[in-house]
Amino acid sequence: EAGVVQSPRYKIIEKKQPVAFWCNPISGHNTLYWYLQNLGQGPELLIRYENEEAVDDSQLPKDRFSAERLKGVDSTLKIQPAELGDSAVYLCASSLGVGRSDTQYFGPGTRLTVL
Amino acid sequence: QKEVEQNSGPLSVPEGAIASLNCTYSDRGSQSFFWYRQYSGKSPELIMSIYSNGDKEDGRFTAQLNKASQYVSLLIRDSQPSDSATYLCALRMNRDDKIIFGKGTRLHILP
Repeated sequence: EAGVVQSPRYKIIEKKQPVAFWCNPISGHNTLYWYLQNLGQGPELLIRYENEEAVDDSQLPKDRFSAERLKGVDSTLKIQPAELGDSAVYLCASSLGVGRSDTQYFGPGTRLTVL
Repeated sequence: QKEVEQNSGPLSVPEGAIASLNCTYSDRGSQSFFWYRQYSGKSPELIMSIYSNGDKEDGRFTAQLNKASQYVSLLIRDSQPSDSATYLCALRMNRDDKIIFGKGTRLHILP
């Protein structure tokens, strides 16, 4: 079974430029998560989708970040414009979304460097 | 108090010994707890989940949960150099189902 797929794996951009990350979850997984992870920190949730619906986007900086999950499968996270402080690893995870034993599976992440 | 607290380490343990990793949490209503392993430059990988008080064993790993004292721990027996990684404690918050991660504990197994 294929795992969570993310692209690109690495991205280097200059500040004020836009950037987009793509995620393809595990087949059949209804719940999709975008996390941000800074060095030495645990992942921090940006947004959680149940199918097409964003059920928790309270930590998403909406002035510059946006996300979508069309058709309840693939998802895209966008930053426009990027700032120096956005340099981090952006992780996508997916899960079946059922019950307390629901397990998240992480993709390899996209390492963003903003110059 | 932070929602999930871990000692950042590094924790150095001789090869073959038992590594003990601890985590405390603030949300008394949390029911689901997870331990993830993260190698440098890689994404987190689930190694254990625990939902009831007591111990849960899986191979060399044992997770321990004490809801009354609000802590969860992970024991690694017969530690191997390949166990050197950062171990992230996580829980599912009762109030909003959000999964919260600790900062992680860096474990270094000394050959």
